[in-house]
Amino acid sequence: KAGVTQTPRYLIKTRGQQVTLSCSPISGHRSVSWYQQTPGQGLQFLFEYFSETQRNKGNFPGRFSGRQFSNSRSEMNVSTLELGDSALYLCASSPDANEKLFFGSGTQLSVL
Amino acid sequence: AQKVTQAQTEISVVEKEDVTLDCVYETRDTTYYLFWYKQPPSGELVFLIRRNSFDEQNEISGRYSWNFQKSTSSFNFTITASQVVDSAVYFCASYSSASKIIFGSGTRLSIRP
Repeated sequence: KAGVTQTPRYLIKTRGQQVTLSCSPISGHRSVSWYQQTPGQGLQFLFEYFSETQRNKGNFPGRFSGRQFSNSRSEMNVSTLELGDSALYLCASSPDANEKLFFGSGTQLSVL
Repeated sequence: AQKVTQAQTEISVVEKEDVTLDCVYETRDTTYYLFWYKQPPSGELVFLIRRNSFDEQNEISGRYSWNFQKSTSSFNFTITASQVVDSAVYFCASYSSASKIIFGSGTRLSIRP
């Protein structure tokens, strides 16, 4: 069974640009969640999608958004990038939010 | 508000020593779930264990064991006879439908040969 796939693996952007990250969950998993990991703030929850609906959202500004498609694949978008958005963005999938998470390898975003 | 505290930022032990990673959680919810995840140097987080709030049984899996105590709001993780491959960052997390998922700040464990 294929694991969680995130693309791209690395991304370099400049301030003010926008970026879209992609996540393909494990087949059959309906819950997809996104996390931001930084040395200073640790691992923080961004949002969770279940059956194409955003079910939960963390404390991030509206520049961070996401969506989930009918095949459970998910995208995360960050608009008007700031230097502080540089981080490892992790996607995880699970059958439901209270179950164990299967993480992808992440997308390392650098904002210059 | 929900909170997970991992007070130990870094731990370094010699191989074959036993080591315990502490996790203290705060929640007002009666139904919640606790997790431990391992993040090796490769970066991908790996699930270790899940416990729900109604199951206080301790668990042992090989060299790993977990002690869940609701009286002290703790969910500690012990590695017996540590090995170099255990070197990683370990995260404790809690989830409830009201508060979503919260991760602790992680404990970096280094096992010296």
